[in-house]
Amino acid sequence: GQNIDQPTEMTATEGAIVQINCTYQTSGFNGLFWYQQHAGEAPTFLSYNVLDGLEEKGRFSSFLSRSKGYSYLLLKELQMKDSASYLCAVRSGGSYIPTFGRGTSLIVHP
Amino acid sequence: GAVVSQHPSRVICKSGTSVKIECRSLDFQATTMFWYRQFPKQSLMLMATSNEGSKATYEQGVEKDKFLINHASLTLSTLTVTSAHPEDSSFYICSARDLGASTDTQYFGPGTRLTVL
Repeated sequence: GQNIDQPTEMTATEGAIVQINCTYQTSGFNGLFWYQQHAGEAPTFLSYNVLDGLEEKGRFSSFLSRSKGYSYLLLKELQMKDSASYLCAVRSGGSYIPTFGRGTSLIVHP
Repeated sequence: GAVVSQHPSRVICKSGTSVKIECRSLDFQATTMFWYRQFPKQSLMLMATSNEGSKATYEQGVEKDKFLINHASLTLSTLTVTSAHPEDSSFYICSARDLGASTDTQYFGPGTRLTVL
């Protein structure tokens, strides 16, 4: 099985930078996803990492270190609308289907 | 990106009734769709994988006779919660696999909030 760990909750100030970490233990790693989910809505795709390094996409960046079983999602220039749950999901083995972590609830305050 | 719709968005029903939820891929063909359930402040739990033209694959602990899945076409999968009870109240989300996407990712529908009285 897989073990995915992320902080339950984080708070940050509008305009600041926040880093949400995700650690995982799995065999046959085959990709890591980050999704954003607003309350009562379905998750929306943010990023996908399968190789080590940083992937940048606008205000959001995602980093992966396969040897450490570690990823982070970096959000810059935080806006109030970034308040949401951020889900880390890991795909492993021969399965296409990723396993989701519990998510990190991010609260952005003025 | 790919669009997945889900209907209804919200349903309230009496205990013992059946509820059908539809999931459609609007601008791509999805041979595989997935059904998830999410309880408040919990993660997404995969219930079953729906394959077009064949039987669904259920995850351990999910009753296939209670959660009926039909994937009759390349753009439509349905989940029927039979004889619903209050403990079935949850947020049900479908997703569809877009093989044409660069990252072979899955796109989620907007979810269905089921409340069983």
